[in-house]
Amino acid sequence: GESVGLHLPTLSVQEGDNSIINCAYSNSASDYFIWYKQESGKGPQFIIDIRSNMDKRQGQRVTVLLNKTVKHLSLQIAATQPGDSAVYFCAENTGGFKTIFGAGTRLFVKA
Amino acid sequence: DTGVSQDPRHKITKRGQNVTFRCDPISEHNRLYWYRQTLGQGPEFLTYFQNEAQLEKSRLLSDRFSAERPKGSFSTLEIQRTEQGDSAMYLCACQTELNTEAFFGQGTRLTVV
Repeated sequence: GESVGLHLPTLSVQEGDNSIINCAYSNSASDYFIWYKQESGKGPQFIIDIRSNMDKRQGQRVTVLLNKTVKHLSLQIAATQPGDSAVYFCAENTGGFKTIFGAGTRLFVKA
Repeated sequence: DTGVSQDPRHKITKRGQNVTFRCDPISEHNRLYWYRQTLGQGPEFLTYFQNEAQLEKSRLLSDRFSAERPKGSFSTLEIQRTEQGDSAMYLCACQTELNTEAFFGQGTRLTVV
């Protein structure tokens, strides 16, 4: 079936540390996966995506890892800053028009 | 500011009333999506437009919901005979065909009392 879920609902990290947010998915046919950041009162904001034929992709301070064997996706944020505090969603797209979102992980950054 | 505008930002309505929301996407973004988001959950897909054509609708979109994009630019989402369960944030997003990045508006928060 189609489902995207997250291991942990909340994550608290110290400013400057690295953050790792995990996500499990079930649809092997997904074409690509996306991470979104949502701050309070705002819509989701695209962070980074990864195609299903890739294992790793890096952006500015962020890295996404895809393990298709265990259907696991992770988002790594380097040197976490207070401005990174938000809810993070993983999402998957099967190449059609529908993007399926997970329930989200709330990241707290402690100063 | 993502360039996607939604109006109104907040709407409080009595049960049974009709409401209409508007989304103005980024110019030349021919793909437009509506999502619904409840507290603590990720956005749920409602419907998708490619230009003016509504190509996909979720089964979440009951017959009380209707969406239009008459000229392939702005879109409206109407809910008839609102119910308390319709209370949620309604998000609009747009995308080009060549880009996986979708741009979301700030949403319309609907409260049905």
